[in-house]
Amino acid sequence: GNSVTQMEGPVTLSEEAFLTINCTYTATGYPSLFWYVQYPGEGLQLLLKATKADDKGSNKGFEATYRKETTSFHLEKGSVQVSDSAVYFCALSNKGSARQLTFGSGTQLTVLP
Amino acid sequence: NAGVTQTPKFRILKIGQSMTLQCTQDMNHNYMYWYRQDPGMGLKLIYYSVGAGITDKGEVPNGYNVSRSTTEDFPLRLELAAPSQTSVYFCASSYRGDREGQPQHFGDGTRLSIL
Repeated sequence: GNSVTQMEGPVTLSEEAFLTINCTYTATGYPSLFWYVQYPGEGLQLLLKATKADDKGSNKGFEATYRKETTSFHLEKGSVQVSDSAVYFCALSNKGSARQLTFGSGTQLTVLP
Repeated sequence: NAGVTQTPKFRILKIGQSMTLQCTQDMNHNYMYWYRQDPGMGLKLIYYSVGAGITDKGEVPNGYNVSRSTTEDFPLRLELAAPSQTSVYFCASSYRGDREGQPQHFGDGTRLSIL
């Protein structure tokens, strides 16, 4: 079956630091890969996505590249801000599965001024 | 610009009580989902629906029921509340189309405590 493994948190960084959150997956076929972000007291919001190998998703300064050879989709940002403090979830969905998402356990990020 | 709306936002139940968590979406999405989120864990799929009149079990369906009589609404029913059902519940919806990578859109969640 499908599974997603995320870097354990919590992660605490100073403002303007470089961020990497690791994500690896196990899936049949060629899944679509997603990063969702959850701000306190809110639902999940799509941050970025990639649908095929070597695709790079990007949004709000965040990037992630779909690496099929290493089954990875690591999230990166060059310079984090206090407003990036949130929980980040890596997820995948397979074709023909009613787009069911399999989530990682989430990584709590705190950015200090 | 409502998107996915969940009610109530918070609820406390006694063991053995029942309740319905409401979810409605105004994006004309065919696919709808219910997840639960436990502390320090990712989201687990409870039930999903690919259209009105069609529902199916997800990873953790025990203790829950759903119905989908309209495209817009997808209520989740707890019949006999148990402490293990204390969690945050999220409803989501997605466009059906053929293009891969269609994201799910989430509501703000219902925080449920069973005491």
